[in-house]
Amino acid sequence: EPEVTQTPSHQVTQMGQEVILRCVPISNHLYFYWYRQILGQKVEFLVSFYNNEISEKSEIFDDQFSVERPDGSNFTLKIRSTKLEDSAMYFCASTRQGPAAENIQYFGAGTRLSVL
Amino acid sequence: SQQGEEDPQALSIQEGENATMNCSYKTSINNLQWYRQNSGRGLVHLILIRSNEREKHSGRLRVTLDTSKKSSSLLITASRAADTASYFCATGDNTDKLIFGTGTRLQVFP
Repeated sequence: EPEVTQTPSHQVTQMGQEVILRCVPISNHLYFYWYRQILGQKVEFLVSFYNNEISEKSEIFDDQFSVERPDGSNFTLKIRSTKLEDSAMYFCASTRQGPAAENIQYFGAGTRLSVL
Repeated sequence: SQQGEEDPQALSIQEGENATMNCSYKTSINNLQWYRQNSGRGLVHLILIRSNEREKHSGRLRVTLDTSKKSSSLLITASRAADTASYFCATGDNTDKLIFGTGTRLQVFP
């Protein structure tokens, strides 16, 4: 069964460093998402991406964050200068249909980001 | 309460018992979905119920939706130890995002 894959599973970085989290969405999906989950808290929406541009973003997704689909398969989240509070589990998700349809999002296993 | 609050926060039962989790939300929705998360893992979609539906079944899962009360419940019948996980409701509207609830941690003892 097709699945969303994320790499790495765990990323450790120093505060102020740039990190890139990588995701390979399901191949025929058109809408892509990033969410994050701080330990013990609820899953929070960060950004959605469709047709090579951001379609929606949350307040969390400030200028330190960016997303890119550099080729036909990868979808990346970049954090330019990490802060301690960026430590969280980051989930990538994808769906074939957009919000007008039943928006069942398929999630990857996540990347645990630890900022020291 | 916040969008997508669930209760109980934690639930412990014996194998074979039923588990019921509740979710409340605040805004208008197109659908409500339930996801499962095993410890430290990703979210797995379980079931979706549309705003014009009142009840839906999938295997041992039963979901109800009451849009007048802005609430939903997830019932897992005949629970198994493998059902141990966190369960989240998530609401979908006309925007892209899903808004997740706070989750219920279910522990099923063999």
